[in-house]
Amino acid sequence: GIQVEQSPPDLILQEGANSTLRCNFSDSVNNLQWFHQNPWGQLINLFYIPSGTKQNGRLSATTVATERYSLLYISSSQTTDSGVYFCAGNTGTASKLTFGTGTRLQVTL
Amino acid sequence: GAGVSQSPSNKVTEKGKDVELRCDPISGHTALYWYRQRLGQGLEFLIYFQGNSAPDKSGLPSDRFSAERTGESVSTLTIQRTQQEDSAVYLCASSRRVEAFFGQGTRLTVV
Repeated sequence: GIQVEQSPPDLILQEGANSTLRCNFSDSVNNLQWFHQNPWGQLINLFYIPSGTKQNGRLSATTVATERYSLLYISSSQTTDSGVYFCAGNTGTASKLTFGTGTRLQVTL
Repeated sequence: GAGVSQSPSNKVTEKGKDVELRCDPISGHTALYWYRQRLGQGLEFLIYFQGNSAPDKSGLPSDRFSAERTGESVSTLTIQRTQQEDSAVYLCASSRRVEAFFGQGTRLTVV
């Protein structure tokens, strides 16, 4: 199966700072998605982005499928952005979503 | 329903007992996933259902784990003869096409 690596594993930001999270895939993927797991454990779907760029408020994501990576940008970070960010995808006719190792983000005042 | 619903929210069981975890997907979602998340770890795939197709069971860690789903409705994950290593949050997700939506999870503690 595919391997999904995320970087950095941990990130501490001051409120207002910007950050870029990266997701690398070992093979071509379909259906690339980004999720945020809040400190209470709830997973929220942020983006479905198999290719190209999407923006939603202070968040945006870019996937370059030919180079097997995706980026999540967080601008003007807020304490509510804290939690773990996961990317996930599947390949070809494979059914399961394979999740990355996650980036744990802490935004401080 | 409005979202994916899982029950119970928390379950404490004695080692060796069987447990059943339930997942109610979003209405109209044909796909349903189960994942396991140990404390501080990532999501470990367990099983995937898509409509009436044969489920992908490749992630089930042992024959003590099984899951069922009838049509596009409720799914139950059963763990027999629970072990302490089974302690984790069990997450269910459903999707209509691609985007997956998660329930709040069931926190299982085996004592």
